[in-house]
Amino acid sequence: EAGVAQSPRYKIIEKRQSVAFWCNPISGHATLYWYQQILGQGPKLLIQFQNNGVVDDSQLPKDRFSAERLKGVDSTLKIQPAKLEDSAVYLCASSLELRQNEKLFFGSGTQLSVL
Amino acid sequence: AQTVTQSQPEMSVQEAETVTLSCTYDTSENNYYLFWYKQPPSRQMILVIRQEAYKQQNATENRFSVNFQKAAKSFSLKISDSQLGDTAMYFCAFSGGTSYGKLTFGQGTILTVHP
Repeated sequence: EAGVAQSPRYKIIEKRQSVAFWCNPISGHATLYWYQQILGQGPKLLIQFQNNGVVDDSQLPKDRFSAERLKGVDSTLKIQPAKLEDSAVYLCASSLELRQNEKLFFGSGTQLSVL
Repeated sequence: AQTVTQSQPEMSVQEAETVTLSCTYDTSENNYYLFWYKQPPSRQMILVIRQEAYKQQNATENRFSVNFQKAAKSFSLKISDSQLGDTAMYFCAFSGGTSYGKLTFGQGTILTVHP
C-alpha cells in the first residue's frame, strides 16, 4: 500500500517568511498527526485530526502555526512568520483509528531550515 | 503529564551480536501502551514493537524483544543477531490515558551496527 506522502522534502527560508507543508495520509486513515522534531530530540505532537476535526492542538503555537485538513484527507501545516527556532523536521503521520495502541505510519518529513 | 527518558544517546554493536536499549517513563495512568520506533536516515519512523501495560508477557517481534518492568517503569529493547540495517535512531514512546493515538517520545538513542 502507498505510504504517507509529504512535500517538500527540504525547505530553506529566511526568518519572518511564510512556509507551508503538505501531507497526504494513507487512504482510509481517519486520524492524522503533525509532529515537530528538533535536531537531537524526539518528535513532539503539534496537532492531531480525526477526519477533518481537531482532536488536540494544545502544543501548537497558534500565533504563528496553523493547520487544516479539508475534506478529512490531505492536510497543510503553515508557519507565518517563521522564527529561527522553527528549524526542525516536520513529520506527518496517519493511523486507521483513534486508539491508544494504534500503529502510526509516518512520512519522511520536511526538513525546514530558517536562516 | 507523561515523560519518557532514554539515557543512552549513542550505542554501538558488532554485527550478529545482541544489544539492549534502555527506556524509563513516568506516568500516573494505569492503562497505557509503550512503543519502540526506528528512524533510519530516510527519516521515516517505523514501528518496531509495542507493549500493552496490562499484559505481563513481554512482547517479541522476530529479533526484537522488550523487557517490560511495570513497577520500575522500565521498558528496554533487546535486538538479537544485530544486522547492518538495524543502524538507526531508536525512540521509545508512550501513549495512555485520554491521549488516544498521541505519542510522547524520548530523546532517542543512535544505534550503530558495525560489520
